[in-house]
Amino acid sequence: GAGVSQSPRYKVAKRGQDVALRCDPISGHVSLFWYQQALGQGPEFLTYFQNEAQLDKSGLPSDRFFAERPEGSVSTLKIQRTQQEDSAVYLCASSLVPFSQPQHFGDGTRLSIL
Amino acid sequence: QKEVEQDPGPLSVPEGAIVSLNCTYSNSAFQYFMWYRQYSRKGPELLMYTYSSGNKEDGRFTAQVDKSSKYISLFIRDSQPSDSATYLCAMSTNTGNQFYFGTGTSLTVIP
Repeated sequence: GAGVSQSPRYKVAKRGQDVALRCDPISGHVSLFWYQQALGQGPEFLTYFQNEAQLDKSGLPSDRFFAERPEGSVSTLKIQRTQQEDSAVYLCASSLVPFSQPQHFGDGTRLSIL
Repeated sequence: QKEVEQDPGPLSVPEGAIVSLNCTYSNSAFQYFMWYRQYSRKGPELLMYTYSSGNKEDGRFTAQVDKSSKYISLFIRDSQPSDSATYLCAMSTNTGNQFYFGTGTSLTVIP
């Protein structure tokens, strides 16, 4: 597709359940980023991939968060044993080349934990 | 103190007004500066992208970077109701993978 695609758009889960969020970056984009956006806040960095390599995961809030990009294209963000504070919009972005090139964002997955 | 500070507003202006949006930052290593527009329930959309100091103009939009003051601005001329959105500033270093975002300023342009 022409843009970054994320699915599902909305996800409701009960506290303690595991969830998986998918990101399809723009074709050919080397870099892929995950962000968390709380209500009324700007996006906060979670993790960064260059092709299949996860080069920076310093923003992941706990070891319950895990991300992968096994073939260097589609990426999945997994959250285990969800907590209410995990409720947020999870945004995926991609860029053509590494390092500070403008990022193109998907519309996000809105996660609600009950 | 956050790396990037941005007044959340809300800001309300009449149609046709000039809008000024601003961010300050603390990290002198930031070299790339961006402005994104975010409509409700949508992802951020890149508006302007500048490197280091100076001005950049694109249609009704002008971005300014003053590195000596650690201050960036976005000006919107002849504002339209369709400009109503949240505007996010973002910045990064030369080698950093992380983009640091402001909290966003909510703008409403009243017809």
